[in-house]
Amino acid sequence: QKEVEQDPGPLSVPEGAIVSLNCTYSNSAFQYFMWYRQYSRKGPELLMYTYSSGNKEDGRFTAQVDKSSKYISLFIRDSQPSDSATYLCAMRINDYKLSFGAGTTVTVRA
Amino acid sequence: GAVVSQHPSWVICKSGTSVKIECRSLDFQATTMFWYRQFPKQSLMLMATSNEGSKATYEQGVEKDKFLINHASLTLSTLTVTSAHPEDSSFYICSAKPSGRVETQYFGPGTRLLVL
Repeated sequence: QKEVEQDPGPLSVPEGAIVSLNCTYSNSAFQYFMWYRQYSRKGPELLMYTYSSGNKEDGRFTAQVDKSSKYISLFIRDSQPSDSATYLCAMRINDYKLSFGAGTTVTVRA
Repeated sequence: GAVVSQHPSWVICKSGTSVKIECRSLDFQATTMFWYRQFPKQSLMLMATSNEGSKATYEQGVEKDKFLINHASLTLSTLTVTSAHPEDSSFYICSAKPSGRVETQYFGPGTRLLVL
């Protein structure tokens, strides 16, 4: 079993729709949770960072962490074609090593 | 802020040659930098953790004599792929963790290596 599971998709939605992404994990020691966006042939860009359980909102992006269920989510409201990318969840314990999900490829259709 | 650059952005080389990739943190100091490898449509795989002034820590299965890492300053780490072969062709990405901050890493744009 992988430490972090993420459905690779692909996920295709019409412009303006809500994009819902999620990851599950097995290591209960993870405390820091991140979502990265990666465009084709580019490095990952940090979108959201959360510590422990709860919600965090930043503009059109909302990140949720449920440590009891070992489940994290990212929601993108009012999706735009420019949101088309691969979204990677990542998490870590106290050290600096990140464990990544496989990434979900999202296409927002104009 | 928190910009990380990589050079070159892409490189093509002949089998048997060595290739050096630079990773720089442009607007912050990074005690720790990381080197990842990414195959098409796959996630990032950590290769090694680089600490300024000390030897790099390699992940299991990564040949340290094959992938030489040097972190000589707080803003620069280099990865040298020695005697490159076609199976080393990949997308190499570095990241840097700002000194004194523990929350996350910032990634460079990646270097695409093609070994013929």
